[in-house]
Amino acid sequence: SQQGEEDPQALSIQEGENATMNCSYKTSINNLQWYRQNSGRGLVHLILIRSNEREKHSGRLRVTLDTSKKSSSLLITASRAADTASYFCATTPLSRGGFKTIFGAGTRLFVKA
Amino acid sequence: SQTIHQWPATLVQPVGSPLSLECTVEGTSNPNLYWYRQAAGRGLQLLFYSVGIGQISSEVPQNLSASRPQDRQFILSSKKLLLSDSGFYLCAWGGTSGSLTGELFFGEGSRLTVL
Repeated sequence: SQQGEEDPQALSIQEGENATMNCSYKTSINNLQWYRQNSGRGLVHLILIRSNEREKHSGRLRVTLDTSKKSSSLLITASRAADTASYFCATTPLSRGGFKTIFGAGTRLFVKA
Repeated sequence: SQTIHQWPATLVQPVGSPLSLECTVEGTSNPNLYWYRQAAGRGLQLLFYSVGIGQISSEVPQNLSASRPQDRQFILSSKKLLLSDSGFYLCAWGGTSGSLTGELFFGEGSRLTVL
C-alpha cells in the first residue's frame, strides 16, 4: 500500500495563479520530499523537509509539514505553463530503516497559458 | 557530478520472453539503489532496493528479480515476462552504504510493453 496520498488527483489553473497540492501519509517519517515528473520522464527532486521542520521555501515553492496531522502541502506561486507536470510526495518512514522512499499517486497539474 | 544511466529507453517484448534492464551510476560510491515501477497515470511502486553489492531487498512478490553485480550497477530481470509486467521502470540512487536516504536521483526510465 502507498504511504502517501496526494490531493487533488488533478488540478487545472491559469498561468499566474497559485497551485496547492496536499499529501497525507500514514506512519512516522524521517523526512518528506516532493518530486516533479514531466510526461514520460524520470522524477526530479524539488524539496525535502525533515520531520522537525514545519515550513521550507525554495524559489516559488513553499512546503509545509504537519506531523501531528501526518500531512504536507506544496504551494507553487505565480505558476507558469512550464510548471505543467505531475507532482509526487514521498516519505521515508522511520519503521523502514530509513532506506526506503515511498511515493504517493501524484497530482497532475495543468497550467493554462 | 553524479549521473545515472538507464537502458534501454523503450522495449517491446512478447509474453514469455526474458527481460534485462540495466542501470549504472557514476560519480558516487556505495550508493543505495532502487527500482520502481510506474503504471500509466499512477504513482511509483518500489520493487527492489540495494544497500550494497549482492544485497537485494524485495518489496513485493512478483515475476521480477534484481541483482547488483558491481557497486554502481543495478539490473532488473525476468525469466518469462507477463502482460502485467508492462510499465515504466525507473532506477534511482540516493544516500550511501545503507545510510539514511534523503533525496533520490532518477534515471530517465525504461518503458516496457509486453504483448
